[in-house]
Amino acid sequence: GQSLEQPSEVTAVEGAIVQINCTYQTSGFYGLSWYQQHDGGAPTFLSYNALDGLEETGRFSSFLSRSDSYGYLLLQELQMKDSASYFCAVSRNQAGTALIFGKGTTLSVSS
Amino acid sequence: NAGVTQTPKFQVLKTGQSMTLQCAQDMNHEYMSWYRQDPGMGLRLIHYSVGAGITDQGEVPNGYNVSRSTTEDFPLRLLSAAPSQTSVYFCASSFSGGTGDEQFFGPGTRLTVL
Repeated sequence: GQSLEQPSEVTAVEGAIVQINCTYQTSGFYGLSWYQQHDGGAPTFLSYNALDGLEETGRFSSFLSRSDSYGYLLLQELQMKDSASYFCAVSRNQAGTALIFGKGTTLSVSS
Repeated sequence: NAGVTQTPKFQVLKTGQSMTLQCAQDMNHEYMSWYRQDPGMGLRLIHYSVGAGITDQGEVPNGYNVSRSTTEDFPLRLLSAAPSQTSVYFCASSFSGGTGDEQFFGPGTRLTVL
């Protein structure tokens, strides 16, 4: 079967660093994406990793280890506005037409 | 650019009724898809299209139909609504659907089936 595992909740304080892990088991793997979703809103794209290593985009970084079927999203200098749900998603084919999402991690940032 | 638009924003149906959720994009994207999101669940792919006239099933296609007559529009039809179809429905599009392509999501349609 297909599965993506993420922690259901993470809490942190403003200014801190938090890591959200994602382990996957899927038939076919072409890359790992991360999406952010604020309460009641639409998901928005954050990052994508096709190869092993770290991708950095401002305060957010994403890491992938294909041999471990594992990735993470790293959020630095946390702000209140980062409180949201974060989803990892696996592309299971080259065309990207078979995207499987994890159940999401709810991040709560307090002052 | 309006991006991805969805109508209606909210809908209440009775069991057995049919309806169409509308989705349109003005970014000339080839790839469009429909997801449903239930509480505590991620997004699950219902149907997708890689271009006008081409559609295919995702993870949870039963009870839904789609068609893609133009690049811009990708409506989702509920044939005979059931309470299990109560969910938030998101339409998404991307340039080519290639792996790693950023998917742009619409604001969602919140559907309740009584």
